[in-house]
Amino acid sequence: DSGVTQTPKHLITATGQRVTLRCSPRSGDLSVYWYQQSLDQGLQFLIQYYNGEERAKGNILERFSAQQFPDLHSELNLSSLELGDSALYFCASSGANSQDIQYFGAGTRLSVL
Amino acid sequence: DAKTTQPTSMDCAEGRAANLPCNHSTISGNEYVYWYRQIHSQGPQYIIHGLKNNETNEMASLIITEDRKSSTLILPHATLRDTAVYYCIVRSFKTSGSRLTFGEGTQLTVNP
Repeated sequence: DSGVTQTPKHLITATGQRVTLRCSPRSGDLSVYWYQQSLDQGLQFLIQYYNGEERAKGNILERFSAQQFPDLHSELNLSSLELGDSALYFCASSGANSQDIQYFGAGTRLSVL
Repeated sequence: DAKTTQPTSMDCAEGRAANLPCNHSTISGNEYVYWYRQIHSQGPQYIIHGLKNNETNEMASLIITEDRKSSTLILPHATLRDTAVYYCIVRSFKTSGSRLTFGEGTQLTVNP
């Protein structure tokens, strides 16, 4: 158990819909990262938050947004969903040290039908 | 981040050592070598990391060549539960921040 909790585990929805994925980091970790893993793209970094502020952005679509709340949990919002958004979405957290290890959650499997 | 090259797949007999190579010939002085693994669609799991010295923890050993252009992850006594995709990642906080850039990795299959 990594200590990172993601909900829900599975999500099935239709094209055009909007969903919210939730992540609770390990106790004390200030950084939260979101990654997407699809069959054709592999594991891709989406976005990082540090103590409530956006720290880095990767290949995140404009239809996607994220935030980190004062209690440090984070949400990834995906809107106007397309079939190609079907993927595993992982959240990871790490501490304040630059070498800090990232601990990953079990992921949310999103299926867009 | 420096580019890494790993074999697509490897096999290992249960109980034997698994040696997973990684080439990172363009690595720069401030870049660390990290290893993660992913067991069938589970979240990636940290294994070990190092800068230039060899490292060992309860999971594995990391051997980095003196010129730092390649490294080897060693699982000393592989079990069936070690079957996974293993990712070698070279990363510098200075140039890439904290993000991890995953390549294709090596699919390690441990056979009974």
